Amino acid sequence: DTAVSQTPKYLVTQMGNDKSIKCEQNLGHDTMYWYKQDSKKFLKIMFSYNNKELIINETVPNRFSPKSPDKAHLNLHINSLELGDSAVYFCASSPGISGNTIYFGEGSWLTVV
Amino acid sequence: KQEVTQIPAALSVPEGENLVLNCSFTDSAIYNLQWFRQDPGKGLTSLLLIQSSQREQTSGRLNASLDKSSGRSTLYIAASQPGDSATYLCAADPKNQAGTALIFGKGTTLSVSS
Repeated sequence: DTAVSQTPKYLVTQMGNDKSIKCEQNLGHDTMYWYKQDSKKFLKIMFSYNNKELIINETVPNRFSPKSPDKAHLNLHINSLELGDSAVYFCASSPGISGNTIYFGEGSWLTVV
Repeated sequence: KQEVTQIPAALSVPEGENLVLNCSFTDSAIYNLQWFRQDPGKGLTSLLLIQSSQREQTSGRLNASLDKSSGRSTLYIAASQPGDSATYLCAADPKNQAGTALIFGKGTTLSVSS
């Protein structure tokens, strides 16, 4: 029973393509996140949704668009992929907006060639 | 703006040694401080969460302390084992308000040799 699951785990694609990463949590949490971990292993918040509403939208190119069809799902769509988008993308969830333990998925390794 | 720093970036110790990982943060207005473990090719696993009103938390061989006034947290690992080899990340949770999220340090990569 995976608490936070994201697919695909590995994705290799060419520059200019559009791709999506899906995330689902079965913990009943209200808040979900997308984090990006760059080549230097630095983990940084991209987006956060609480009950399907966007509450955090960091300085991210508008080629990145999150979508939350319900509070158990938060998908990340990326248009016109660039080499610099290569990174590990982590989905996470928590019971509420802050002050809680956060649970991470296993990551999606995106390589743009 | 909150910044989180972890020192050292990497640490190698022989099995059985007690060790301390350090984390510092620039803004003491935090809700809590969290420690995570990341294994290669895996996601992050939550280890300990210390609320701002607490001084420390313990789980098995792990003990995390928090000193908000000095902007520091430490993770103490007792009797280290090869299975403890991983990257350890600390993260500060800014004051409970919309528009904030955990701010991570860059981690300390620990290698425990048998």
